[in-house]
Amino acid sequence: NAGVTQTPKFQVLKTGQSMTLQCAQDMNHNSMYWYRQDPGMGLRLIYYSASEGTTDKGEVPNGYNVSRLNKREFSLRLESAAPSQTSVYFCASSESVGGRGIDTQYFGPGTRLTVL
Amino acid sequence: AQSVTQLDSQVPVFEEAPVELRCNYSSSVSVYLFWYVQYPNQGLQLLLKYLSGSTLVKGINGFEAEFNKSQTSFHLRKPSVHISDTAEYFCAVIIVGSARQLTFGSGTQLTVLP
Repeated sequence: NAGVTQTPKFQVLKTGQSMTLQCAQDMNHNSMYWYRQDPGMGLRLIYYSASEGTTDKGEVPNGYNVSRLNKREFSLRLESAAPSQTSVYFCASSESVGGRGIDTQYFGPGTRLTVL
Repeated sequence: AQSVTQLDSQVPVFEEAPVELRCNYSSSVSVYLFWYVQYPNQGLQLLLKYLSGSTLVKGINGFEAEFNKSQTSFHLRKPSVHISDTAEYFCAVIIVGSARQLTFGSGTQLTVLP
């Protein structure tokens, strides 16, 4: 039981390049989330998926797209990376449908992304 | 709107001393409150949460928090800290019945000194 896994762990991009961050959970959870963590700002929600087949914008969605590929997997795509997207990205999941964050969220280990 | 303020960005404390990490939220309506902990180079994990009932909530690793509605606070306490408690601690809030998601505070880095 691996919980929430994220790949890659580290990534360096040049401005304008694209990439996809992968996330998978093996807990049969219904809701999944993508956050970014910046120093002194806590975690900010980028996108979330309240159930398989649905996605919604969070607090800071600009410059990102997501895909809920199936119940297990939720990917985050940067189409044209910018230095402002340098951050640590966390994927999380929770059991309930609806994804409002009341039930416990389980986090992956994070992806550290640097955009030059 | 919901927001949460963690008043201290860094809290150094000696091993076996007590600690309090402060959290205040801004909302005039009912809220749910959470504390998450992030150990170095790891994701966050839930320490404890307040949904309803007793205002004193006990969590994992000996931590507890008290919900104070009049002061809109949810401070985290531990009577005696260990080196292994060194981590960043995040308070989070969500308004009851709101369609909005969880809002996290900016975090407090707790460093336990030998």
